[in-house]
Amino acid sequence: DTAVSQTPKYLVTQMGNDKSIKCEQNLGHDTMYWYKQDSKKFLKIMFSYNNKELIINETVPNRFSPKSPDKAHLNLHINSLELGDSAVYFCASSQDHLEAFFGQGTRLTVV
Amino acid sequence: DQQVKQNSPSLSVQEGRISILNCDYTNSMFDYFLWYKKYPAEGPTFLISISSIKDKNEDGRFTVFLNKSAKHLSLHIVPSQPGDSAVYFCAGSGGGADGLTFGKGTHLIIQP
Repeated sequence: DTAVSQTPKYLVTQMGNDKSIKCEQNLGHDTMYWYKQDSKKFLKIMFSYNNKELIINETVPNRFSPKSPDKAHLNLHINSLELGDSAVYFCASSQDHLEAFFGQGTRLTVV
Repeated sequence: DQQVKQNSPSLSVQEGRISILNCDYTNSMFDYFLWYKKYPAEGPTFLISISSIKDKNEDGRFTVFLNKSAKHLSLHIVPSQPGDSAVYFCAGSGGGADGLTFGKGTHLIIQP
């Protein structure tokens, strides 16, 4: 039973499209995150969401928006996709902001 | 501005020997450090952590050492096993909701 699951695992789309990546956690954690791993393999925090409080990394373009329908879900919406958005996106969750549990990643390719 | 640095992109160790992975940090506000292990096409998995008030934490074959004055931590794996071959990420946390700050990772290769 997967703790943090995200779908799809692979996503290929054209520039200018709008896409979403879904994430669900069954750990009962209070905080969920989105991380981006770019071509240089850096893993960087994009968003943190806890009790309806959203913390945004200032470097994230406003074309990216997280949506949380409930505590167990944090979906990532991306508008007007650009080539530079190609990366692997990881969802994660944690309790007490300590050890984070990660999903398996979504490899987004923008063509 | 890299707040967490892993200066060795790769490390090759013989099976059965000790693997030592190093990590340096610049942010004095970090109060918790974590190591993650990542296999290709999978998400990072938590390995071991250490609070900034400690200098050592051990869990089976894995030990993390923290030298706060040098802003340096290391992960020791002994004995190294073939299944340990993976990318290892060091991360720092300020304890808040800002998430983890990761290093670039070290690719550990265990040779038979």
